[in-house]
Amino acid sequence: QVLLVESGGGVVQPGRSLRLSCTGSGFTFSGYGVHWVRQTPGKGLEWVAAISYDGTYTSYGDSVKGRFTISRDNSKSTLFLQMSSLQPGDTAVYYCVRDLCSSINCREYFQDWGQGTLVTVSS
Amino acid sequence: DIQMTQSPSSLSASVGDRVTITCRASQNIENYLNWYQQKPGGAPRVVIYSASGLENGVPSRFSGSGSATDFTLTISSLQPEDFATYYCQQSYNLPATFGPGTRVDLK
Repeated sequence: QVLLVESGGGVVQPGRSLRLSCTGSGFTFSGYGVHWVRQTPGKGLEWVAAISYDGTYTSYGDSVKGRFTISRDNSKSTLFLQMSSLQPGDTAVYYCVRDLCSSINCREYFQDWGQGTLVTVSS
Repeated sequence: DIQMTQSPSSLSASVGDRVTITCRASQNIENYLNWYQQKPGGAPRVVIYSASGLENGVPSRFSGSGSATDFTLTISSLQPEDFATYYCQQSYNLPATFGPGTRVDLK
């Protein structure tokens, strides 16, 4: 079955950087677009970023544009989220989510989610 | 960005009750509306896709309807395992946006 496992979360000071990873298995990782979605107690679910199957196309939410970078290594079936200039408002559980198509805007629903990794930005 | 609203924000119900949750989009999203169920400590799980499609493995007591800007999720006879938070989400375009959620708890 499809499995997505996030890692890399933790406690980080404001202004610092952190890199999240998500390893996929049970499917052909290189054939699908992948997204990051985060969840905070106060703001609910927020889409963060997406990347197409081959990394050609990326898209970001306004709140992270210019600070976060999404990338992937298909040889290792791994998705990344490089987060810089972190702020307390970035505190959330970050989920890796597989799209149902190779692109990033094919209007499909989010069927497969990882278990999430918690990022806490605090001094 | 497309804004999603939901009502009510929470509701209390009993086993066997019929429950209806509504979702509204700030613009026409055709039928690109999905519903997710989330239980504490878990990731969201899709229950309805494309406004009215029942996801594999989801009980038939769940149904969805609507188009354009107004949508409804109905649970025909609430079961103990259905107590959770429900979110709507539009997949019409990026950024994908979610409603604020409706918490369904035991009366």
